[in-house]
Amino acid sequence: GNSVTQMEGPVTLSEEAFLTINCTYTATGYPSLFWYVQYPGEGLQLLLKATKADDKGSNKGFEATYRKETTSFHLEKGSVQVSDSAVYFCALSDLGDDKIIFGKGTRLHILP
Amino acid sequence: DAGVIQSPRHEVTEMGQEVTLRCKPISGHDYLFWYRQTMMRGLELLIYFNNNVPIDDSGMPEDRFSAKMPNASFSTLKIQPSEPRDSAVYFCASRRDRYSPLHFGNGTRLTVT
Repeated sequence: GNSVTQMEGPVTLSEEAFLTINCTYTATGYPSLFWYVQYPGEGLQLLLKATKADDKGSNKGFEATYRKETTSFHLEKGSVQVSDSAVYFCALSDLGDDKIIFGKGTRLHILP
Repeated sequence: DAGVIQSPRHEVTEMGQEVTLRCKPISGHDYLFWYRQTMMRGLELLIYFNNNVPIDDSGMPEDRFSAKMPNASFSTLKIQPSEPRDSAVYFCASRRDRYSPLHFGNGTRLTVT
């Protein structure tokens, strides 16, 4: 079945550091891939998405590239800010499937 | 676009009481999902609807849980009777179709004492 595996947290970085959160997936078809972010006390929000191989999703300085050969969709940001502290979820939606499959989430702490 | 609206934001109740959580999805969205989030189990899908019809309720923990969607703009999740282990944040989410992203509400934090 379809699944998403992302790196365990928490991840703690200093402000302006480079961020990578790893995500790999297993899918039977050709999924769309997503990163969602959850700020304290809020629901999940879509951060970025990619719908086919080699697509790059980007938003708010975050980027992720759909790599079919490595079944990965790693999230990166060149210079993190304290306001990026949140929980990040990698997710996939397989073609023809109603549901979105979420990873377990990675908590990110950014220190000033 | 008002987003997905959930009420109440917080609910504190005693064990054995009935709890009803409410959700208004985004207008025009055909799918509605109920999730539960805890530290131990993460984000769990409980049930989802397509065009007001329940499609998959395999995530509903037990018969104490029930969900309805009487029309396209309203859904409820009911727990009767509630137990302390039901304490969690419950999220409602909607999507326009199976190709579009999910939009989440801000959740209802339930505490059962």
